[in-house]
Amino acid sequence: SQTIHQWPATLVQPVGSPLSLECTVEGTSNPNLYWYRQAAGRGLQLLFYSVGIGQISSEVPQNLSASRPQDRQFILSSKKLLLSDSGFYLCAWSYGTYEQYFGPGTRLTVT
Amino acid sequence: GEDVEQSLFLSVREGDSSVINCTYTDSSSTYLYWYKQEPGAGLQLLTYIFSNMDMKQDQRLTVLLNKKDKHLSLRIADTQTGDSAIYFCAEMGTGNQFYFGTGTSLTVIP
Repeated sequence: SQTIHQWPATLVQPVGSPLSLECTVEGTSNPNLYWYRQAAGRGLQLLFYSVGIGQISSEVPQNLSASRPQDRQFILSSKKLLLSDSGFYLCAWSYGTYEQYFGPGTRLTVT
Repeated sequence: GEDVEQSLFLSVREGDSSVINCTYTDSSSTYLYWYKQEPGAGLQLLTYIFSNMDMKQDQRLTVLLNKKDKHLSLRIADTQTGDSAIYFCAEMGTGNQFYFGTGTSLTVIP
């Protein structure tokens, strides 16, 4: 069966520090991968999605970037965090059946 | 991205039915989804409906799709306290992108 992992689960970082959140999927090949942000426990905003290694599409201009160095690995990064980057970050994958499955999320607090 | 809209809050008494509504804009959406999010957790897929269907029933859940009005609803029969959560409507747009509503926070009153 497929599983999706995210780490860390929680993170507190000062403004101006770098960020790296990691997401990995097991049990499937060539999945579509997604990063979402959920601010203040509300709606989901699609940040990035990837249909293959090295292929990243960005939905909104922002302080963040994404990379997909391996087929089942998706990384969300920032060189300098802003207060507005605080939120709940969710990674998700989909393949074939068009169902999208979410990881447990990372709670980021920028202080 | 596409616009997917939901009301923000809904309160029901335990044992009653809950109806959560959603409107979307992309008439070419192939699949429409309902997800549930419990506090501090990721999203759990509850059910989905293919765009050529009007209704789908799965135990206590009934999904109704009015494609003409671009309206999707989720009915939860015999609502329980464990159903308290945020419910997200979503559509799959072009290019394998998913667009989510703002979420409806369901509170079940014992």
